[in-house]
Amino acid sequence: GEDVEQSLFLSVREGDSSVINCTYTDSSSTYLYWYKQEPGAGLQLLTYIFSNMDMKQDQRLTVLLNKKDKHLSLRIADTQTGDSAIYFCAESTGYSTLTFGKGTMLLVSP
Amino acid sequence: SQTIHQWPATLVQPVGSPLSLECTVEGTSNPNLYWYRQAAGRGLQLLFYSVGIGQISSEVPQNLSASRPQDRQFILSSKKLLLSDSGFYLCAWSVGDSNSPLHFGNGTRLTVT
Repeated sequence: GEDVEQSLFLSVREGDSSVINCTYTDSSSTYLYWYKQEPGAGLQLLTYIFSNMDMKQDQRLTVLLNKKDKHLSLRIADTQTGDSAIYFCAESTGYSTLTFGKGTMLLVSP
Repeated sequence: SQTIHQWPATLVQPVGSPLSLECTVEGTSNPNLYWYRQAAGRGLQLLFYSVGIGQISSEVPQNLSASRPQDRQFILSSKKLLLSDSGFYLCAWSVGDSNSPLHFGNGTRLTVT
């Protein structure tokens, strides 16, 4: 079956790195996505990685994919208070649409 | 560029009243359209999706229905709201196949009293 798991909370200090982890179950996933949701807003696509890649870097964001362990992570360098939000991992499985995790709430303290 | 509009942003409705939430997409043709609900537990529940005009797939049997009267318009409705219909409703679009990324609207906060 399809299932995406994430830890619910992460708290970091401003300037530190944040690492948000995600595990998925469908080995046939083609793309894996990270979304950001700020309070009261919709989900914003942050970045994605194709399943045949190990790593993707985009400014302060680094996505690592371990396909063997079905583990995906999002690293945010130099975390800022504006990064406080809920982060969703999602996988494409070929079913109707993406399968989302329940989201990790990132709290950045000054 | 593509944009998605969803309204209203907030809505307070009494139990038993009807509901109509509207979503429109601009800047693309024949998008796939989706309605999600996000309850307090944060998880996203796919309610309906549509790959074309008049084509609606329901993921969860419930008190809601969806319609797609035009290519870029998606409407979520209910004849009689229940307390359990409260939540944050998100419309989204994509183009291409089911591996494609979703692009979300800003959501509607519905409170049923």
